[in-house]
Amino acid sequence: GQQLNQSPQSMFIQEGEDVSMNCTSSSIFNTWLWYKQDPGEGPVLLIALYKAGELTSNGRLTAQFGITRKDSFLNISASIPSDVGIYFCAGPGSGAGSYQLTFGKGTKLSVIP
Amino acid sequence: DADVTQTPRNRITKTGKRIMLECSQTKGHDRMYWYRQDPGLGLRLIYYSFDVKDINKGEISDGYSVSRQAQAKFSLSLESAIPNQTALYFCATSPGGFNQPQHFGDGTRLSIL
Repeated sequence: GQQLNQSPQSMFIQEGEDVSMNCTSSSIFNTWLWYKQDPGEGPVLLIALYKAGELTSNGRLTAQFGITRKDSFLNISASIPSDVGIYFCAGPGSGAGSYQLTFGKGTKLSVIP
Repeated sequence: DADVTQTPRNRITKTGKRIMLECSQTKGHDRMYWYRQDPGLGLRLIYYSFDVKDINKGEISDGYSVSRQAQAKFSLSLESAIPNQTALYFCATSPGGFNQPQHFGDGTRLSIL
């Protein structure tokens, strides 16, 4: 099946620093979704990307749909303590599996005040 | 009120017991999903349903069954629980159509002793 590789698996940063994380796929994706999960809660959609090369922002978050359609990137600028959580990429892929979302294993972000 | 409500939020039970986890939604979405989350493994799809008469197996359906009682209700059952089914379970919904993001409940933490 399709696989998504997220990196890094975890990161510790100082408050105020910028954060970058990425997600790569073994196959082409038609859509990239980025979710954040706070402790004790379900994942919440941050950004949805639908076109290769697309760059979309949501406040301090910016995500890009890679031109090859096999990767995506999420950047967080000027991190704050409430950015702590697990960030997941996901996508429905293409072909027969296109109605099922595949999730990466997540990037766990810790922000040091 | 939450758009996607899962009950119970926490459950501890013994091996061999039958367990039912319930999910209801007020989003009016046709599609509903059940996921399992284990540390370091991300989210894995158990079952999904595109409407009341449609049930499909996901990546890890063995040992689970589902029932779509109405458009707004989708329940997950463990007929005879075993310890390796201890996990965090999430219900999600999405509108019909291609590449629609999924919206998650806050999860049920299930522990099987």
